[in-house]
Order: sequence, then structure tokens, then C-alpha cells
Amino acid sequence: EAGVAQSPRYKIIEKRQSVAFWCNPISGHATLYWYQQILGQGPKLLIQFQNNGVVDDSQLPKDRFSAERLKGVDSTLKIQPAKLEDSAVYLCASRIPGLAGVFGANVLTFGAGSRLTVL
Amino acid sequence: KQEVTQIPAALSVPEGENLVLNCSFTDSAIYNLQWFRQDPGKGLTSLLLIQSSQREQTSGRLNASLDKSSGRSTLYIAASQPGDSATYLCAVRPKTTDSWGKLQFGAGTQVVVTP
Repeated sequence: EAGVAQSPRYKIIEKRQSVAFWCNPISGHATLYWYQQILGQGPKLLIQFQNNGVVDDSQLPKDRFSAERLKGVDSTLKIQPAKLEDSAVYLCASRIPGLAGVFGANVLTFGAGSRLTVL
Repeated sequence: KQEVTQIPAALSVPEGENLVLNCSFTDSAIYNLQWFRQDPGKGLTSLLLIQSSQREQTSGRLNASLDKSSGRSTLYIAASQPGDSATYLCAVRPKTTDSWGKLQFGAGTQVVVTP
């Protein structure tokens, strides 16, 4: 099966500019996640979608970050205006629910990520 | 607040040697613990998932143990190969959330296996 697709892979912008990242999850995966991974740290969940509804956005800096998942498939994450501290890799992941304990169930599949550098 | 720590941050071993990676967490109220592998420029790949009721999981050359009471997990990789070079991250799913994706990650251990 095709994996989680993300674009662009790399983006360099000046602070205060805007940027958008796109994610296409695995077909049929109802749950989609966006993570922020700062260099030297583990990923941090920004937002979780179930189909086209937001389930958890408690760690999303809503003054500058926004995300949407129209039609419950593709998703975009936008940053406007960007700050220096937003430099990170933005990872998208998707999951198809399964029975807990069943091999492979509930495993997240990650995309390769979009690396953002803010100058 | 749950804190996940991985020590060391990096290690290098010669090919054929067994790898031992450590992960500790501060709050034992977890649903599960996962080990991930991250290659440069790529996303994370789930290696093993241990439910809180389990003591260990095995997959091929990989074996992960979980001691919830002491807040520790260890990932063993037998007979390491240069292809095992990557960053290994552990992550716990706290019982404070119903979300499968709201994981608390460690910063990872960067592994280099030299031929």
C-alpha cells in the first residue's frame, strides 16, 4: 500500500512569512495526526483529526498555526506568521483503528516529514 | 507531567555486537510503550508496541522489555548490523489521554553500527 505522502519536503522562509504543508494519509485511515519535531527532541502532537473533525488541538499554537482536513482525506497545516522557533520537521501520521493487542493494530504510519527552516 | 528519558543520546558499536537501548519514564500510568526507528530524512517506523499488561515483545532480532513499576523499558537488538544505524525513540501513551497518537516521546538514542 502507498505510504503517507507529505510535501514539500523542505522549505526555507523568513520570519513573519507564511508556509503551508500538505499531507495525504493512507487510504482508509480515518485518523490523522500532525506532529512537530524540533532538532534533538521527540515529536510533539499538534493536532489530531478523526475524519474531518478535530479531536485534539490542545498543543497547537492557535495564534499562528491552523490545520484543516476537508472531506476527511488530505490535510494542510499552515503557519502564519512564522517565528524562528517554528524551525522543525513537521510529521504527518495516520492510523486505522483496530483491536488493542492485535498485532499491527493501531500502529501509526508516519510520512517522511516536511523540514522547515525559519531565518 | 510524564517525562521520558533516553540515555545515552548516542552510541557506536562494532558490527555483530548486541545493542542495548534504555528508556525511562516518570509516571507508570500508561496504556502502552512503543519503540520507533527514525532514519535521516524519513519518518518514524514503529518497531514494537508493548501493552502495559505485558512484560516483553519480540520481533526477529528485536526484543523489548517493560517494567512499568520501575518506569523502565529496554530494547535489545541482537547481532547488530550496519543497517541498524538509526535513531531509536521510545514513546509512552499516558492514561491521561484517550488518543492513540498523543504520545510522550523520548529524545532518542542515535546508534551507529560500524562494519
